[in-house]
Amino acid sequence: SQQGEEDPQALSIQEGENATMNCSYKTSINNLQWYRQNSGRGLVHLILIRSNEREKHSGRLRVTLDTSKKSSSLLITASRAADTASYFCATDAWDDKIIFGKGTRLHILP
Amino acid sequence: GAVVSQHPSWVICKSGTSVKIECRSLDFQATTMFWYRQFPKQSLMLMATSNEGSKATYEQGVEKDKFLINHASLTLSTLTVTSAHPEDSSFYICSARGGTSGPDTQYFGPGTRLTVL
Repeated sequence: SQQGEEDPQALSIQEGENATMNCSYKTSINNLQWYRQNSGRGLVHLILIRSNEREKHSGRLRVTLDTSKKSSSLLITASRAADTASYFCATDAWDDKIIFGKGTRLHILP
Repeated sequence: GAVVSQHPSWVICKSGTSVKIECRSLDFQATTMFWYRQFPKQSLMLMATSNEGSKATYEQGVEKDKFLINHASLTLSTLTVTSAHPEDSSFYICSARGGTSGPDTQYFGPGTRLTVL
């Protein structure tokens, strides 16, 4: 069964606004990763946050991890049309497997 | 950076035929490779974990006789969809662990789109 559950399932915002996506998971993890996927294309790795980290930044991306609540968030600041994509969290739970959540479909409106 | 390739990128086949998809780690040795399946507008579902030189470990609900996985070398894993049917039409993605970034990093291939007529 899938480990992560993203929230919301779909999100539409105006260009320039910030987009926040949340992910919850069920078991203890080694790390959590966020990926982007454009329609019909492969995955793009965005960021990896380890279980002993609480926050990580990469350009316009900010990821937080709360292991006590088993949740993570991905914030995209100053969104652009090119950010339109599906975003997935994926958990690495010490068993070598990476399990994906259901994803959030983000649509940036011009 | 580490690169994982898949071949073919897309394939169309008739119902009942078998299709082989290759996954290669181009510049690193991958002791473990993974195969995922993704239906339209859905997430990636892990199908199986493939270790070089040993039998693949399949996730619950995945038919091992239907989806044959061979990890013959440290740079190549193959997925064969046997006697394919239209319901097997999907996007198949492989990934590999390894490379200089360490065992935590998993590199994904670009995917193979299978359409069964």
